[in-house]
Amino acid sequence: QLQLQESGPGLVKPSETLSLRCTVSGASISNTNSYWAWIRQPPGKGLEWIGHIHSTGIISYNPSLQSRVIISVDTSKNQFSLKLTSVTAADTAVYYCARLLPGDWNYRFDPWGQGTLVTVSS
Amino acid sequence: SSELTQDPAVSVALGQTVTITCQGDSLRSYYASWSQQRPGQAPTLLIYGKNNRPSGIPDRFSGSSSGITASLTITGAQAEDEADYYCNSRDSSDNRQLFGGGTKLTVL
Repeated sequence: QLQLQESGPGLVKPSETLSLRCTVSGASISNTNSYWAWIRQPPGKGLEWIGHIHSTGIISYNPSLQSRVIISVDTSKNQFSLKLTSVTAADTAVYYCARLLPGDWNYRFDPWGQGTLVTVSS
Repeated sequence: SSELTQDPAVSVALGQTVTITCQGDSLRSYYASWSQQRPGQAPTLLIYGKNNRPSGIPDRFSGSSSGITASLTITGAQAEDEADYYCNSRDSSDNRQLFGGGTKLTVL
């Protein structure tokens, strides 16, 4: 059964870089049919797609975050990572990793990690 | 437009049928997927494609689409269906993924 687990600091100072890792178990991250995504959810608000990556290196970012985001993949560790630079309080959110599956005229996120709360505060 | 629009809140009486909608230009090109998020939990996939349910999702959940509107229908709502529901699809002009703002379902 495919599972994803986020890890990383729960507290980041303003202007610093948020770094998170997602460990994939139960399947290879090199599966050519899968993309690997980051999504976030500020407290009490909706979901926001951050970006996704394919094991071949194909990447897509949310234009609103593109100047500050780097998503990378480490196939040897079956992990992918998120870096968000120059964070502010507005970046406080629960960060989720998820598999993004393309289908017939459809894309779906399944499964999701449990999420990790990252608070930006001094 | 690269947005998906959902009603912020919907209510339904226990055992009745409710439909939650999602509107956006991208839905002319791509089916919506629907996810359920119970309080304090991560989202889980409910419906994808034309009307597909992952293993373990009850058949009271169904999806449909027409034009720029996708719909999630719950037939015979249960107390445990009280949750937030999100639609998502790919943007029709590039490789971005879009989420609706979410609909909070209250089961009365």
